[in-house]
Amino acid sequence: GAVVSQHPSRVICKSGTSVKIECRSLDFQATTMFWYRQFPKQSLMLMATSNEGSKATYEQGVEKDKFLINHASLTLSTLTVTSAHPEDSSFYICSARVRGHSTDTQYFGPGTRLTVL
Amino acid sequence: EDQVTQSPEALRLQEGESSSLNCSYTVSGLRGLFWYRQDPGKGPEFLFTLYSAGEEKEKERLKATLTKKESFLHITAPKPEDSATYLCAVQAGGSNYQLIWGAGTKLIIKP
Repeated sequence: GAVVSQHPSRVICKSGTSVKIECRSLDFQATTMFWYRQFPKQSLMLMATSNEGSKATYEQGVEKDKFLINHASLTLSTLTVTSAHPEDSSFYICSARVRGHSTDTQYFGPGTRLTVL
Repeated sequence: EDQVTQSPEALRLQEGESSSLNCSYTVSGLRGLFWYRQDPGKGPEFLFTLYSAGEEKEKERLKATLTKKESFLHITAPKPEDSATYLCAVQAGGSNYQLIWGAGTKLIIKP
């Protein structure tokens, strides 16, 4: 159980275009999903927390207007990188929160490699 | 300030050579400590959650332990397929379920 999918796995786009990445929880409902960015040989950097039916909470330094997050259902969150530039090229990973007795566990998707030319 | 430090940064072992990875943490009110495995170009794969000092969990060749200051991930008789980056993260008390991440330990098992 607790499978999270992401689509697409890889995307190459031209500078100035927008790219949408989907994150789905396949076998459970997730009221909260997280979006991370990971640079080569570095750990995960939290970008935003996405709550179903409400606005996302962005981390300091992350531009809300550039990284649009929509969590329209209990199984789907989307991240749209608007007007992408080469510096937005990165590995984007989502996770979904599964509630537990004492704490919660995040299960991760396989990631999306974005390359902006 | 809540902080997680993993050591070593990288570890090279021969197949069958047991060792341990360390995760030291300072956090206000630990709710849980998590271990993940990440292969290159993939998302992290959940391994264990530890909740309180003295707790231990095992999965195949991996065993995770927890004290009030640190956690160890012991790997017994590793195989080349155990090569990956192992990430440690903690969830603080009163948090909004966010995780504080260590930088990871890259484990390489040579056949």
